[in-house]
Amino acid sequence: KAGVTQTPRYLIKTRGQQVTLSCSPISGHRSVSWYQQTPGQGLQFLFEYFSETQRNKGNFPGRFSGRQFSNSRSEMNVSTLELGDSALYLCASSLWGNTEAFFGQGTRLTVV
Amino acid sequence: AQSVTQPDIHITVSEGASLELRCNYSYGATPYLFWYVQSPGQGLQLLLKYFSGDTLVQGIKGFEAEFKRSQSSFNLRKPSVHWSDAAEYFCAVGGNDYKLSFGAGTTVTVRA
Repeated sequence: KAGVTQTPRYLIKTRGQQVTLSCSPISGHRSVSWYQQTPGQGLQFLFEYFSETQRNKGNFPGRFSGRQFSNSRSEMNVSTLELGDSALYLCASSLWGNTEAFFGQGTRLTVV
Repeated sequence: AQSVTQPDIHITVSEGASLELRCNYSYGATPYLFWYVQSPGQGLQLLLKYFSGDTLVQGIKGFEAEFKRSQSSFNLRKPSVHWSDAAEYFCAVGGNDYKLSFGAGTTVTVRA
């Protein structure tokens, strides 16, 4: 059974640009959540989607957005990139959202 | 608000010695508790989980954890550490709000 797949693995963007990250969950999993990992702030929750509906959102500015498609695949978008957005972005999938979550390898975003 | 404290930032242990990583949580309802491990530049791998029932849970790679409600703790243990256990370990708490709150992590170094 394939795990959680995140693409791309690495990205370099310039300040002010926007970026879209993709996540394909484990087959049969309907919940997808996103986390940002930085050395200073650790792992922080961004948002969670289930059946195309956002059920919870973390404390991030509106520049961070996401969506989920009918096949449970999810994307997150960051607009007007800032240097502080440089981080490892991790996607996790689970059956229902309050069960065990399985993480992808992450997308390493560097903003220059 | 939910939170997780991992008091030890860094632990060094000799190969073959036992390992215990501490985790204390704060959560208003019945918590779901998890331990994850992360190797450099990689995603998070689930070691074990506690939802209910037996307070001593077994996980992968020979790890176990004990849930102690009275102490709000969920400590991770391994009887005999292997060099491949060198990594960063994260304790997390979740529930019916569809998000995980993580501790700051404990880095484990294994010396020969």
